[in-house]
Amino acid sequence: DADVTQTPRNRITKTGKRIMLECSQTKGHDRMYWYRQDPGLGLRLIYYSFDVKDINKGEISDGYSVSRQAQAKFSLSLESAIPNQTALYFCATSDPIYEPGQGVSSYNEQFFGPGTRLTVL
Amino acid sequence: GQSLEQPSEVTAVEGAIVQINCTYQTSGFYGLSWYQQHDGGAPTFLSYNALDGLEETGRFSSFLSRSDSYGYLLLQELQMKDSASYFCAVSSNTGKLIFGQGTTLQVKP
Repeated sequence: DADVTQTPRNRITKTGKRIMLECSQTKGHDRMYWYRQDPGLGLRLIYYSFDVKDINKGEISDGYSVSRQAQAKFSLSLESAIPNQTALYFCATSDPIYEPGQGVSSYNEQFFGPGTRLTVL
Repeated sequence: GQSLEQPSEVTAVEGAIVQINCTYQTSGFYGLSWYQQHDGGAPTFLSYNALDGLEETGRFSSFLSRSDSYGYLLLQELQMKDSASYFCAVSSNTGKLIFGQGTTLQVKP
């Protein structure tokens, strides 16, 4: 079974519709992230959460909202979808490594879900 | 702010060696990571450098120079399956990863 899953995998919707993308993980990680990927622009961070009570905006949060329902679940919503939100969306997780006497390690490997391809017409 | 620069495309032949460079600007720098992504797939972790020098993992090696804000990924004995996009990403004291725009590597027979 996949460690990080995303639903749906593909979605076509119309301008103005509300859309929710869901992410679930079985890795037991505290940290979760939402990225969008557009051709030639790499991965850009939308929102991230370091634990259930923590939500932070990323580089491009306008037009998006998130909900961290549990350690294992992190949902991304587009309240009123617009065509320039057409993109590939990835969820990712990570777990901080605590080094004795140094606190949280800088090491931050992220584990990505398979992605959701969203098209807004 | 934070920014990364890497070439958009690189082409090489099977069996050759290729180097993908990455320069970065960031405050609170912790380390440089590399990720691989095959077309339409999920990015997967390749390597991480926090200290200056070369880290080797099989055919792939990654290098970091903190004083030059520069790193590279070295792929040896290229195979067709290495055709993919490669992203460098910086870790900082914010706990986030900031990704470069990616380098598309095309391996030709």
